[in-house]
Amino acid sequence: DVKVTQSSRYLVKRTGEKVFLECVQDMDHENMFWYRQDPGLGLRLIYFSYDVKMKEKGDIPEGYSVSREKKERFSLILESASTNQTSMYLCASSSSQGVGEQYFGPGTRLTVT
Amino acid sequence: GENVEQHPSTLSVQEGDSAVIKCTYSDSASNYFPWYKQELGKRPQLIIDIRSNVGEKKDQRIAVTLNKTAKHFSLHITETQPEDSAVYFCAASIFPGNTPLVFGKGTRLSVIA
Repeated sequence: DVKVTQSSRYLVKRTGEKVFLECVQDMDHENMFWYRQDPGLGLRLIYFSYDVKMKEKGDIPEGYSVSREKKERFSLILESASTNQTSMYLCASSSSQGVGEQYFGPGTRLTVT
Repeated sequence: GENVEQHPSTLSVQEGDSAVIKCTYSDSASNYFPWYKQELGKRPQLIIDIRSNVGEKKDQRIAVTLNKTAKHFSLHITETQPEDSAVYFCAASIFPGNTPLVFGKGTRLSVIA
């Protein structure tokens, strides 16, 4: 059974803080993704990675960076958190050999005050 | 790049009635179309998907149809039940497993008992 976990379910940070969101998957998936989910806007792709140390920008990368030092772990970094980054953040993973199904983590609800 | 439009944004049906959610996509090269269901407070989960070499696929009470010429695909839920209440997302990609999914903005389905 695929398991994708995220380091926190809820997080409250102050404006200007550096924020780390961690995602770990246990299925040896090559692909990992970070989305943010906002009401009425659906799932918007921030960054994705097809392999260790590789990263690609998604649709809304501004204000974010990522790190993938190990295959199972994909980190999302907010260098200087702002209030407009208050959102639900979802991590996902998929196999490059599979049919394309993405397995999502439980999400981190980040509030920036 | 790919753009996926989803309608309606909200849908209310009486228990036992059918529900239909429609999506259109822009990139004719897309060939994988999954549907995800997200219950309140939970992560999105794949419920059904279809590839471009198939026009229709069924799984018990849910079915998906694809019209490649018109570039649209639809989710059909028959005999709706209260537990079908959730947000449903359609998505599209060119190479499942190798390119990111592009999601629609979601449809909030409410099944009224």
